[in-house]
Amino acid sequence: GENVEQHPSTLSVQEGDSAVIKCTYSDSASNYFPWYKQELGKGPQLIIDIRSNVGEKKDQRIAVTLNKTAKHFSLHITETQPEDSAVYFCAASTGGFKTIFGAGTRLFVKA
Amino acid sequence: SQTIHQWPATLVQPVGSPLSLECTVEGTSNPNLYWYRQAAGRGLQLLFYSVGIGQISSEVPQNLSASRPQDRQFILSSKKLLLSDSGFYLCATGGAELFTEAFFGQGTRPTVV
Repeated sequence: GENVEQHPSTLSVQEGDSAVIKCTYSDSASNYFPWYKQELGKGPQLIIDIRSNVGEKKDQRIAVTLNKTAKHFSLHITETQPEDSAVYFCAASTGGFKTIFGAGTRLFVKA
Repeated sequence: SQTIHQWPATLVQPVGSPLSLECTVEGTSNPNLYWYRQAAGRGLQLLFYSVGIGQISSEVPQNLSASRPQDRQFILSSKKLLLSDSGFYLCATGGAELFTEAFFGQGTRPTVV
């Protein structure tokens, strides 16, 4: 069945450095790729998304890239801050009712 | 903008007791609604989704059921809780992109003892 793999499971960076989280998906019909940030004890919050007709999207310190051929997409956070520490989830959707989520990456930003 | 309310936030219940978690949505009409479960350190598992009143689709056969008695109300239930039902339950509704989940509630964490 459909699958989304996410790496790494844990990522620790120094404040100010960049963080990159990578995901691969199996369903070539996937056309929408959201990223969520989940803080402790809270629900996930959509932070950025990208559609299959776009290769890259940027929003301030956050950017997402998509390689449809390789079925890879990545989240890039630049100039990381302690408040960026959270669990990040990637997901892939074919536009139907099912969105497949990755297992999550726990990001630690050390001050 | 949409707002999702989930309650209770936490609860502790014994094995074999019933469970009822409620989700209500504000700021939209006829939303697609979803129930997800998140195990510790794991991703999100879709349990149920609903496209309208009384319309429920189940993704994973299990001890749980869902109902949608009103347009913006979604209920997750169990007649008899199992230890394996412990976890973090999240209600979600579609965002600007049709059929995609963009807004999540704050979650409910039932602990089965």
